[in-house]
Amino acid sequence: AQTVTQSQPEMSVQEAETVTLSCTYDTSESNYYLFWYKQPPSRQMILVIRQEAYKQQNATENRFSVNFQKAAKSFSLKISDSQLGDTAMYFCAFMKPTGTASKLTFGTGTRLQVTL
Amino acid sequence: SAVISQKPSRDICQRGTSLTIQCQVDSQVTMMFWYRQQPGQSLTLIATANQGSEATYESGFVIDKFPISRPNLTFSTLTVSNMSPEDSSIYLCSSGRTDANYGYTFGSGTRLTVV
Repeated sequence: AQTVTQSQPEMSVQEAETVTLSCTYDTSESNYYLFWYKQPPSRQMILVIRQEAYKQQNATENRFSVNFQKAAKSFSLKISDSQLGDTAMYFCAFMKPTGTASKLTFGTGTRLQVTL
Repeated sequence: SAVISQKPSRDICQRGTSLTIQCQVDSQVTMMFWYRQQPGQSLTLIATANQGSEATYESGFVIDKFPISRPNLTFSTLTVSNMSPEDSSIYLCSSGRTDANYGYTFGSGTRLTVV
């Protein structure tokens, strides 16, 4: 079974600064997908960024980028120019596509606080 | 990606009663998933619901406690039965297609408090 580990329960960053959230995972699969989800106090789970394991290029979405190290099974999220609206829980997730029931496995989450 | 309407957004229920949570998707999706999120915790998958077949439950969750319906490709319900205070959690549904390498869409969650 796959496991996802987020070793930072809480992080804090000042507005406009850069912060990196860590995620490691364990799998024997070669084909899979990795995601970062954001959950603000509204509870809504919002997809931030995704990465296909077969792609060597790191995914980027505006201020959000990942550092995907497949051999090390590491998938960190970098948030640049942090904004107050980035305050949320961030969950790293793993998915092995199985065709009919591809489940997401979530890490324990990192609570990010952006301060003035 | 799909948009999901989940309701109710919150409820306070008496122990021993049942609550049914509904999720409506604005497009047809093959799979729907139901999660529980206990306070301050991560998401735990309860079951996977495919249209036309019985839901598949994860270890620790049983159909008698969490019956699920999936009558068509745009709708699903989760019932939390015979509730106790330990069932107080956020419940979320999500949807995706079999080619959903873009990640799944989530409903806005139901905050359940059992008193």
